[in-house]
Amino acid sequence: KAGVTQTPRYLIKTRGQQVTLSCSPISGHRSVSWYQQTPGQGLQFLFEYFSETQRNKGNFPGRFSGRQFSNSRSEMNVSTLELGDSALYLCASSVGTVQETQYFGPGTRLLVL
Amino acid sequence: GESVGLHLPTLSVQEGDNSIINCAYSNSASDYFIWYKQESGKGPQFIIDIRSNMDKRQGQRVTVLLNKTVKHLSLQIAATQPGDSAVYFCAESLPGGYQKVTFGIGTKLQVIP
Repeated sequence: KAGVTQTPRYLIKTRGQQVTLSCSPISGHRSVSWYQQTPGQGLQFLFEYFSETQRNKGNFPGRFSGRQFSNSRSEMNVSTLELGDSALYLCASSVGTVQETQYFGPGTRLLVL
Repeated sequence: GESVGLHLPTLSVQEGDNSIINCAYSNSASDYFIWYKQESGKGPQFIIDIRSNMDKRQGQRVTVLLNKTVKHLSLQIAATQPGDSAVYFCAESLPGGYQKVTFGIGTKLQVIP
């Protein structure tokens, strides 16, 4: 089975711009979660989508949003980028039942200048 | 919670020795715990998990111990190999939390050949 894929792998943006990141889960997985990883804050949960619906949400401002398509692929969007949004954005997929193993993609490294 | 300027604890171990990585989790209501390994440039990789109705679980070369009384997890790696060099995270999840997982700050394991 192919693993979780994320595109793009690297991205450079400037403050005020917006960005869209994409995640393709493992075939058959219906849950996609997004995490932000920074040296200062560690790994933090952004949100989780299951069957095209946001099922869980972390403590991030409304500038961070996401969606999931009928094929389970997911996108996350960050609007009005700030310098502090520079981070590794990771997505993880799982079948979608309670407390099961999540499989992470390699991440998208975002640099905001 | 928030923290500024996380400094990863580092554990240096001689190749062939056993490693013990410790983690204090934050929420006494958490009932599912996971250990992840993250190598440089990659996403976290699942190692082993344990539910709160257990206090020990063994995998291949790894053992996780759970002490709910003091909210403590440990990961034991037997016969540590150079390929074990990575950052190790413990993570916790609340009942019914689906895939919303809270990660610890991580421990860097350095294996000395």
